[in-house]
Amino acid sequence: GEDVEQSLFLSVREGDSSVINCTYTDSSSTYLYWYKQEPGAGLQLLTYIFSNMDMKQDQRLTVLLNKKDKHLSLRIADTQTGDSAIYFCAEPSASGGSYIPTFGRGTSLIVHP
Amino acid sequence: DAMVIQNPRYQVTQFGKPVTLSCSQTLNHNVMYWYQQKSSQAPKLLFHYYDKDFNNEADTPDNFQSRRPNTSFCFLDIRSPGLGDAAMYLCATSTYQGNEQYFGPGTRLTVT
Repeated sequence: GEDVEQSLFLSVREGDSSVINCTYTDSSSTYLYWYKQEPGAGLQLLTYIFSNMDMKQDQRLTVLLNKKDKHLSLRIADTQTGDSAIYFCAEPSASGGSYIPTFGRGTSLIVHP
Repeated sequence: DAMVIQNPRYQVTQFGKPVTLSCSQTLNHNVMYWYQQKSSQAPKLLFHYYDKDFNNEADTPDNFQSRRPNTSFCFLDIRSPGLGDAAMYLCATSTYQGNEQYFGPGTRLTVT
């Protein structure tokens, strides 16, 4: 199957920027996603980027895509304690004629004062 | 508000006692998914339905079954839960396969 890799933990100080990285393997993906999961809750779509884009900015969030290296990153500016959560990178991967989202293991973002 | 609802939020069952988890959606999405998520792991896809077309992942145990009686509802049946089945079960929907997914809050299953 296709693999999506992420580092497991990131700790930042409140007010600093956070950068969460992801590598993927399926180069045919039309878009890639970032989801956020708060404790005890389901996943919530945070943002996405089309594969023909290099960058997408949405308020405090910046997504960078390097298709050559199959590398995706999520930058959160002015990180707040409310940003503490697990962040999942996901790509739709071809599987038996369907496109099924494949998730990374998630990066736990810890924001401390 | 349109949403994905899962009931119950917390379920405790005994080893070997069948249990059913339910999911409903008001988004009128074509695709519904069931995921199993264990601590510090990625959500693992168990099944998905594209309309009434059922798709079983190759490594989903036979102990797990699913039903989608109509567009709005989808059920996950665990016939004989084992201790290893304790996990968070997430339901999700999307308009089409591969599109962004909308997740329910999950059902935390405990097996005693």
